[in-house]
Amino acid sequence: QVQLQQWGAGLLKPSETLSLTCAVYGGSFSGYYWSWIRQPPGKGLEWIGEINHSGSTNYNPSLKSRVTISVDTSKNQFSLKLSSVTAADTAVYYCARGRDSYDDYYYYYMDVWGKGTTVTVSS
Amino acid sequence: SSELTQDPAVSVALGQTVRITCQGDSLRSYYASWYQQKPGQAPVLVIYGKNNRPSGIPDRFSGSSSGNTASLTITGAQAEDEADYYCNSRDSSGNLVVFGGGTKLTVL
Repeated sequence: QVQLQQWGAGLLKPSETLSLTCAVYGGSFSGYYWSWIRQPPGKGLEWIGEINHSGSTNYNPSLKSRVTISVDTSKNQFSLKLSSVTAADTAVYYCARGRDSYDDYYYYYMDVWGKGTTVTVSS
Repeated sequence: SSELTQDPAVSVALGQTVRITCQGDSLRSYYASWYQQKPGQAPVLVIYGKNNRPSGIPDRFSGSSSGNTASLTITGAQAEDEADYYCNSRDSSGNLVVFGGGTKLTVL
């Protein structure tokens, strides 16, 4: 049973850098894309970006200039850094395991999620 | 387009059937995946691929697709199905991930 455990600072001031880490327990790290997703209070899910075991990344264009996702395969961990945060970055941040597959059509799904970390940006 | 569009809210009478839809250009090439999210909890995958359910998801949940529209159907909705539902896929380029805006399901 794969589990994701995430942690990081929950209260930031404007202009600081958000830093979160997600550890993968009980499963392989390779063969998947590892994503960060956020959800502002009362709003929907927003994909931030992803990384695979070899370090290849994809980022949401709306956040790309401020986001860095990195991986530490020796620890089965991946991390998110979001720079120059503002109140608009206040959200619950989730890590998740994603997979691409094919069955007549291509498909993508996230089957394992972390519990979420609440991040508040306030002066 | 990299967007997926969902109706903001849908309601269903207890025990009846409800369909939640998701539209987007990427769905002409990708099956959508569907997630259930209850208040204060992380999303849970309920449907992926052509019409696959993860272990533990009741068989009243099913998925289908036609053209640029994906659908999640709940046959015989239960009170515990009241939740927000999100669709998700890669975008048309295949490089990015997109979510629909979510549908709030109310079971009456």
